[in-house]
Amino acid sequence: QKEVEQDPGPLSVPEGAIVSLNCTYSNSAFQYFMWYRQYSRKGPELLMYTYSSGNKEDGRFTAQVDKSSKYISLFIRDSQPSDSATYLCAIATGTASKLTFGTGTRLQVTL
Amino acid sequence: EPEVTQTPSHQVTQMGQEVILRCVPISNHLYFYWYRQILGQKVEFLVSFYNNEISEKSEIFDDQFSVERPDGSNFTLKIRSTKLEDSAMYFCASSAGPGETQYFGPGTRLLVL
Repeated sequence: QKEVEQDPGPLSVPEGAIVSLNCTYSNSAFQYFMWYRQYSRKGPELLMYTYSSGNKEDGRFTAQVDKSSKYISLFIRDSQPSDSATYLCAIATGTASKLTFGTGTRLQVTL
Repeated sequence: EPEVTQTPSHQVTQMGQEVILRCVPISNHLYFYWYRQILGQKVEFLVSFYNNEISEKSEIFDDQFSVERPDGSNFTLKIRSTKLEDSAMYFCASSAGPGETQYFGPGTRLLVL
């Protein structure tokens, strides 16, 4: 079983739609949960960072962590063409420093 | 806003040659990392570095790889004898502490011919 699973997409939505991106993970020791955005041939850019279960909101973005289900989500409200990118979930344990990434979901927001 | 920088942006080398990839982490960060991303694949952890020592390394980080912080600002990844399968995008990252947010550089695209 892979440590982190993420649907690679591509996911195509019209401008203004609500986007839901998800990852599942297998190791219950994971404590830190991140979402990165990656534009083509660029480095990952941190979008959201959460510790343990719960929700976190930042503008149009909401990150949700459900540790009981080992499931994390990123919601994008009022999606814009500039949101078109690959979204990577990344997870870390409390003591180890490495990030374990999902494969990334490619999102296309169309006009 | 402080950022991680990497040089060169692109590097082409012949198989068997040594390459050194350079990174300047965010200045007050103490933890440094290298990741790689083979084209079309996920970002993979290579190594983490703290207090002039390797903290953790992956199976990918074999004897052909080494890291160094030669001065107070640079953090380097050396590949001693490159292989075709080393062709990838290499990302440097830094963080203020373990479990803290890791900030990534723009990457070095390495092509081994």
